[in-house]
Amino acid sequence: GAGVSQSPRYKVTKRGQDVALRCDPISGHVSLYWYRQALGQGPEFLTYFNYEAQQDKSGLPNDRFSAERPEGSISTLTIQRTEQRDSAMYRCASSLEIGQAYEQYFGPGTRLTVT
Amino acid sequence: AQTVTQSQPEMSVQEAETVTLSCTYDTSESDYYLFWYKQPPSRQMILVIRQEAYKQQNATENRFSVNFQKAAKSFSLKISDSQLGDAAMYFCAYRSPDGGGSNYKLTFGKGTLLTVNP
Repeated sequence: GAGVSQSPRYKVTKRGQDVALRCDPISGHVSLYWYRQALGQGPEFLTYFNYEAQQDKSGLPNDRFSAERPEGSISTLTIQRTEQRDSAMYRCASSLEIGQAYEQYFGPGTRLTVT
Repeated sequence: AQTVTQSQPEMSVQEAETVTLSCTYDTSESDYYLFWYKQPPSRQMILVIRQEAYKQQNATENRFSVNFQKAAKSFSLKISDSQLGDAAMYFCAYRSPDGGGSNYKLTFGKGTLLTVNP
């Protein structure tokens, strides 16, 4: 079956604009994670969902960042009033079950550039 | 909070040779999971190998094996018979144990860029 997909793959936006990044997890996967990866760094946790419930948003940098997963499948990460420091690769990952040692399958990422 | 340290920003190896990538971590938990992920130039994130802390036996996956030293909080990755396709950024990652409302997020190190020379 298809893996995790993300769209758009690349996004260039002007400072101050809002952007919405989409993640479509593997069908049937319960858990969904968002990470941000700056150039030359490892991914850093932003938030995660079990089904439609946002379980932890402690990694979101500030209140300009929000995420939702209304039907327990597709998720959207929204950044309002973008700033240049928001430029990074945004990665989504999904996992089959809650907990357990299930692998997190990563999507290809969205490369966000704020000019 | 858990931290993961990869002290080698870059490593290189000759094709067909063996290379070891280092990773140390800091945690107060007794049970957890450790992972190595590979990020090739395509920038995908691919799971290479996984180790459960409660298992004493080191994990192996074909040419990839780990040396897990729990007391030393060390988790190194050994790549045998290196191939050109192994060239990538390698990330070590930590995950908390199951249960207790844990956040199952991965905590990553900064990565080691591996170059394979023909």
